[in-house]
Amino acid sequence: QKEVEQNSGPLSVPEGAIASLNCTYSDRVSQSFFWYRQYSGKSPELIMSIYSNGDKEDGRFTAQLNKASQYVSLLIRDSQPSDSATYLCAVNIGPGTYKYIFGTGTRLKVLA
Amino acid sequence: NAGVTQTPKFRILKIGQSMTLQCTQDMNHNYMYWYRQDPGMGLKLIYYSVGAGITDKGEVPNGYNVSRSTTEDFPLRLELAAPSQTSVYFCASSVDRGTEAFFGQGTRLTVV
Repeated sequence: QKEVEQNSGPLSVPEGAIASLNCTYSDRVSQSFFWYRQYSGKSPELIMSIYSNGDKEDGRFTAQLNKASQYVSLLIRDSQPSDSATYLCAVNIGPGTYKYIFGTGTRLKVLA
Repeated sequence: NAGVTQTPKFRILKIGQSMTLQCTQDMNHNYMYWYRQDPGMGLKLIYYSVGAGITDKGEVPNGYNVSRSTTEDFPLRLELAAPSQTSVYFCASSVDRGTEAFFGQGTRLTVV
């Protein structure tokens, strides 16, 4: 069973702090990795994609990928109360597959 | 740019009734997906399509059917609704395999 694991949380951080969200995956041939933000009652919204080892930065968000250790993380700098949501990690288990495996999400609470 | 549009947003069905969840996208994406999301269970793939006329089963296809007659539309049919089909349904699309997937607003379905 190919799996994507996330700590369900809640992860509570004070406003202005760095929030660190982690995700591990079981399939070594996974090739594409995504972070989605989902507010309560809303649909998943794509935040970041990462395809190769290392860091990828976009504004306050940084995605980190380590394929050898099979984990991907998301850092949110200068966290804001509006960042409070559930963050879903998704993995495309490739090659040649169209399927994305989603983790159950980590709930983040940013305290004002 | 509307992206992925789903209708209806909410629906209540009686056991044994049938309905079609509509999904359309205007991004000219070849790949489309139907997911269901249950509390604490993450997103599960029901069906997917890699182009007009081509569909395949995902992880949880029982009780559902799909068709893909055009690039834009990917309706999901529920036959003989059961309480186990109470869930939130999301349609998504991507331009290619393993690339970023974009989600519709979701349909919250309750079967009573």
